[in-house]
Amino acid sequence: SQQGEEDPQALSIQEGENATMNCSYKTSINNLQWYRQNSGRGLVHLILIRSNEREKHSGRLRVTLDTSKKSSSLLITASRAADTASYFCATDSTTDSWGKLQFGAGTQVVVTP
Amino acid sequence: EPEVTQTPSHQVTQMGQEVILRCVPISNHLYFYWYRQILGQKVEFLVSFYNNEISEKSEIFDDQFSVERPDGSNFTLKIRSTKLEDSAMYFCASRRASSNSPLHFGNGTRLTVT
Repeated sequence: SQQGEEDPQALSIQEGENATMNCSYKTSINNLQWYRQNSGRGLVHLILIRSNEREKHSGRLRVTLDTSKKSSSLLITASRAADTASYFCATDSTTDSWGKLQFGAGTQVVVTP
Repeated sequence: EPEVTQTPSHQVTQMGQEVILRCVPISNHLYFYWYRQILGQKVEFLVSFYNNEISEKSEIFDDQFSVERPDGSNFTLKIRSTKLEDSAMYFCASRRASSNSPLHFGNGTRLTVT
């Protein structure tokens, strides 16, 4: 089964606008993590939200988690050109060992100046 | 801030050759991982390693793959006889011992098998 599916697949916005992307998953989770990947580069951890948390903030990032709907959202406020990247959600499932993450296909975000 | 470092950044090899991808995890981390990302596809788990042994491995991680922590700092992934389909970006990651701690990834090694 697919785990950690993001939508939209691609998002194009202008600087200053907000970017919202969603992630759905299928299994019971310990936590859900969001990562950013610039083209051809490594995965940068953005934020981790535990299964008993509903919302978390880090700078311009806001993550929500709804375990009843098995979904999460990542909001980037006041986007900048430097936010251009692919964003992935990854779930740490209760049925797997810690750190064995299931990644989604990602949302490609392009922020134009 | 401490980082996971990987070398080389790009490795080109011929089919059938052995390759070793190297990683230096963050020094106080105890759990180590290899993931890979085939071009245009999802990031996939390969193997996790703790206390000098494999904790879990995926179906991808067959007998051609092995991992080793030869000393206190390095963590290596060896592919014995590379295939064309092994071409991918390979990411090393590490994390602290506490549960619910995030993975810290390196910048990856792009492996091209010709």
